[in-house]
Amino acid sequence: SAVISQKPSRDICQRGTSLTIQCQVDSQVTMMFWYRQQPGQSLTLIATANQGSEATYESGFVIDKFPISRPNLTFSTLTVSNMSPEDSSIYLCSVTSGRGTDTQYFGPGTRLTVL
Amino acid sequence: LAKTTQPISMDSYEGQEVNITCSHNNIATNDYITWYQQFPSQGPRFIIQGYKTKVTNEVASLFIPADRKSSTLSLPRVSLSDTAVYYCLVGDISSSASKIIFGSGTRLSIRP
Repeated sequence: SAVISQKPSRDICQRGTSLTIQCQVDSQVTMMFWYRQQPGQSLTLIATANQGSEATYESGFVIDKFPISRPNLTFSTLTVSNMSPEDSSIYLCSVTSGRGTDTQYFGPGTRLTVL
Repeated sequence: LAKTTQPISMDSYEGQEVNITCSHNNIATNDYITWYQQFPSQGPRFIIQGYKTKVTNEVASLFIPADRKSSTLSLPRVSLSDTAVYYCLVGDISSSASKIIFGSGTRLSIRP
């Protein structure tokens, strides 16, 4: 298993600003993912954070809005840019070693409120 | 994409066995079936995973019929602390994370 921490755990931001969320893992992992979970809803995959290359974004998510960094095998950041109230959500990172039988381990999430 | 369908909600009582069924009609040959549990204000947590037949661990059992088009998570003797949302996922994360889709989940409520 892997232990994952996220910073900040929550934040309240003004519209038009940006917030960078950090995800730290206690071991080296192959694959890292960023999800969004809106209140009372399921999880939606934003992107796969690839070490040493650009992130792979899912339909409906773009790099200009959600730039991602993955400088090494234990760390990633997600920035929510030019925020609007519609970005209010919980943002979660998850990791896996990438084997077919491997499960995902999730961080505790970052609760973002945009005013 | 292997889409999953689960009941939106279920209610039960402490000490009962709870079975949550998930439909995944277009499951692919390489896909695994994985169940996660999520409590409020926490990230999802792995419960159990299987490919076919039956899998059991200290928390739950997973029953998968021969055609693999559905699966049933069985929670024995539930307690109030089992109140959570349960997600069924189907896919092979090594091939494509995009194919790992969280469905709506089942909101399980346990009463005293």
